[in-house]
Amino acid sequence: DADVTQTPRNRITKTGKRIMLECSQTKGHDRMYWYRQDPGLGLRLIYYSFDVKDINKGEISDGYSVSRQAQAKFSLSLESAIPNQTALYFCATSDLSSSSQYFGPGTRLTVL
Amino acid sequence: GQNIDQPTEMTATEGAIVQINCTYQTSGFNGLFWYQQHAGEAPTFLSYNVLDGLEEKGRFSSFLSRSKGYSYLLLKELQMKDSASYLCAVSPANAGKSTFGDGTTLTVKP
Repeated sequence: DADVTQTPRNRITKTGKRIMLECSQTKGHDRMYWYRQDPGLGLRLIYYSFDVKDINKGEISDGYSVSRQAQAKFSLSLESAIPNQTALYFCATSDLSSSSQYFGPGTRLTVL
Repeated sequence: GQNIDQPTEMTATEGAIVQINCTYQTSGFNGLFWYQQHAGEAPTFLSYNVLDGLEEKGRFSSFLSRSKGYSYLLLKELQMKDSASYLCAVSPANAGKSTFGDGTTLTVKP
C-alpha cells in the first residue's frame, strides 16, 4: 500500500463549487504539506502543518483552506472554485529529523 | 525570500553525462534538495546537501557551494528512463519547508 494517498485522483467541477481534496499518510510523519503545480512550473506551497494544532499559510493560500483532522490526515478545500485553480495538487509529508518530503500521487483538478 | 534558477530544458544522449545547474538566493539556509519527477507523476527524492561538496549516490551525484549559492546534479551513464523533470528545492533555516525551482526537463535521446 502507498504511504501517502490522495483522493480523488481526478476531479472535474464547475466554477463556484466547493471542493475538498483529501490526503492520508501511514508514514507517521508530523509534517504535512499541500502544493499545486501548473504546467511547466515547479511546486508552489499552499499550506503546511507541523502537527495537528499547527497550520501555516504558504505562498499561495488565497482561495484555499485546510484542516488537519489527525496526524495522518490533511485536507485541502477550495471554498468557491475558479478556473485558474485548475492544476495538479500534491500532498507531501516529512518527519522532524529529515526534511526530504514524500509525495502523494497527486490530484488533477479541472475547474470549468 | 528565496529565488531559485535552473535551466528550463536540456537534452542529452543515452550513455552520456549531464549536469543540471541550480542557483539560489535565500535568507538563511538549511539544505538543498533534488527531486525527480516523471511526467504526470509525483516527485521523488534524489539527494540532499547541507554541507559544501559532492554527494555521490550511484549514477547520481549532487554538489553544493553555499558561498556561491550554487548546486548541480550530475547524472552519469544516462538511460532513457532518466527522461524527467529535475526539481531543485531550497530549505531556509528553521523553516521546515522548502521552496522549489520550476524544474529542468531532461530529454534523453538514443
